[in-house]
Amino acid sequence: QKEVEQNSGPLSVPEGAIASLNCTYSDRGSQSFFWYRQYSGKSPELIMFIYSNGDKEDGRFTAQLNKASQYVSLLIRDSQPSDSATYLCAVPRGNTPLVFGKGTRLSVIA
Amino acid sequence: GAVVSQHPSRVICKSGTSVKIECRSLDFQATTMFWYRQFPKQSLMLMATSNEGSKATYEQGVEKDKFLINHASLTLSTLTVTSAHPEDSSFYICSARDPGTGSTDTQYFGPGTRLTVL
Repeated sequence: QKEVEQNSGPLSVPEGAIASLNCTYSDRGSQSFFWYRQYSGKSPELIMFIYSNGDKEDGRFTAQLNKASQYVSLLIRDSQPSDSATYLCAVPRGNTPLVFGKGTRLSVIA
Repeated sequence: GAVVSQHPSRVICKSGTSVKIECRSLDFQATTMFWYRQFPKQSLMLMATSNEGSKATYEQGVEKDKFLINHASLTLSTLTVTSAHPEDSSFYICSARDPGTGSTDTQYFGPGTRLTVL
């Protein structure tokens, strides 16, 4: 099993809908989880991170963590065409760099 | 969040030449920086971990003699692609951790350098 798995997509949602992006991880000991957004031709930018089980909200973004099931998700409310990008889930692994999933491509249709 | 810069943003060079890419942490000190490469429509690939004052740690399959990394100060790491060839054309991105932020694991990325080797 890969350390961090994401559905590659593309995930298509209409403008104004909720986009739901999922990520599963293999290391039960993982304590923190990160979501990055990468526009085509650009570098990744941090959206948010989450430590605790449950939900963490930041504007239109909500990260949800379920450690028992080893998944973390990102919800984007009121999706806009400008949200169209690849979303990367990442998990720390000790003192090494974050382990990134391959990303899910989101397309918001106007 | 912390700011990481890269220079140049874009470079075109002839095959056989060497290219140096700089990565700077602008408002924090980074003892560790990371270098990634990304080919079109593919995922990020970690190349190496750059440690201030010591040798870089390279990922399996990355040639250390071809991709020279120097981390001479707490705010600057450089990646030199030596004797570049067309297959080295890619998007090179650095990132750094800011220990002063809420999460010591958070990595901030530079804007990337697009290398084209003719």
